[in-house]
Amino acid sequence: AQTVTQSQPEMSVQEAETVTLSCTYDTSESNYYLFWYKQPPSRQMILVIRQEAYKQQNATENRFSVNFQKAAKSFSLKISDSQLGDTAMYFCAFGANSKLTFGKGITLSVRP
Amino acid sequence: SQTIHQWPATLVQPVGSPLSLECTVEGTSNPNLYWYRQAAGRGLQLLFYSVGIGQISSEVPQNLSASRPQDRQFILSSKKLLLSDSGFYLCAWRGWGRALEQYFGPGTRLTVT
Repeated sequence: AQTVTQSQPEMSVQEAETVTLSCTYDTSESNYYLFWYKQPPSRQMILVIRQEAYKQQNATENRFSVNFQKAAKSFSLKISDSQLGDTAMYFCAFGANSKLTFGKGITLSVRP
Repeated sequence: SQTIHQWPATLVQPVGSPLSLECTVEGTSNPNLYWYRQAAGRGLQLLFYSVGIGQISSEVPQNLSASRPQDRQFILSSKKLLLSDSGFYLCAWRGWGRALEQYFGPGTRLTVT
């Protein structure tokens, strides 16, 4: 079975600054994907970014990028130029065999 | 484009009453469908998933059941609700041929009193 660990329950960042959210996972699968989802106060789950495990290049989506360290089973999310709208819970998720396993999430607050 | 609907948005039910939550997807065919529960301040727990009509896999033994009567309809049910069934229920879909990302509905907030 897969496990996803997000050890930081809360983080805070000043607007326009950069913040990194950590995630580690454990698996015996060789073919998998990793995701970061955002859940704002509306509670709508929004896909932020996706990483294929077979790709060495780190994924980037505008202000969001990941640092994927496959050997270390680490998958962190970097948010650059933080905006007030980035305030949300962020979930790391592991995908294999048509299913996702989620971490417990981290609450990110962006301060004006 | 694809859209996913869930209803009702909120529900307050007494202990022992039945439950029926509905999820429908538009703009795609033969999607994988999923039901998750999110307890307050916690991550998402996969409850059921379906790869086709009438095909349901249960991930967690519990008081709930799921059915898929039509290709793009997924229903979560209970005959008798427990207090522990309270939570935020999310439906998600994944299309064939895509990577494993799932797309979520707006959710149903269930309070069992």
